[in-house]
Amino acid sequence: AQKITQTQPGMFVQEKEAVTLDCTYDTSDPSYGLFWYKQPSSGEMIFLIYQGSYDQQNATEGRYSLNFQKARKSANLVISASQLGDSAMYFCAMREVSNDYKLSFGAGTTVTVRA
Amino acid sequence: EAQVTQNPRYLITVTGKKLTVTCSQNMNHEYMSWYRQDPGLGLRQIYYSMNVEVTDKGDVPEGYKVSRKEKRNFPLILESPSPNQTSLYFCASSLSRGLAGEETQYFGPGTRLLVL
Repeated sequence: AQKITQTQPGMFVQEKEAVTLDCTYDTSDPSYGLFWYKQPSSGEMIFLIYQGSYDQQNATEGRYSLNFQKARKSANLVISASQLGDSAMYFCAMREVSNDYKLSFGAGTTVTVRA
Repeated sequence: EAQVTQNPRYLITVTGKKLTVTCSQNMNHEYMSWYRQDPGLGLRQIYYSMNVEVTDKGDVPEGYKVSRKEKRNFPLILESPSPNQTSLYFCASSLSRGLAGEETQYFGPGTRLLVL
């Protein structure tokens, strides 16, 4: 069964606007972590933001915030004030306490920022 | 500087010609992994290692071998590459964690492999 689901293959967003990337996950572990990575066209994986399953508050890192809804098992990434440099592929991933040697990834969402 | 290095970054080869992709990390991490990335599938784990001489299969291990003779190095070996192994490969390392803490995995820059 798919552990991470990203239902949006591609999205367009106007520069300076906000965009929300959807991510739902499936786990029975009581403890897990959720991550978002950015992959620009150059190919490297850039860590953006982390949310722990026991964290009470939603994580934020600069223009990135994570909308964590534990009961719905969703961890959506919000990018505020989009910039042209935000054009990239974005991956949601999960690390479970029972499988802490791996990250399970979604299929990714391609974001294109328009001027 | 903390980093994971991979070599080569780009490789074109032919079916059946053995190849090795090297991976090295300088952070004294216990855990190391290899992932492959394919369109529409995200990244999938090929093999992982929890420490020296301890390796195990990930989700897509067929056609690959690994070894962990030293803590810092974790080479990926394709004994007889086939076209379906054309992919983008990432090596990653992390500290071992009992809980899923915020210690993320550090990724290498990736190796683009084309098997003809």
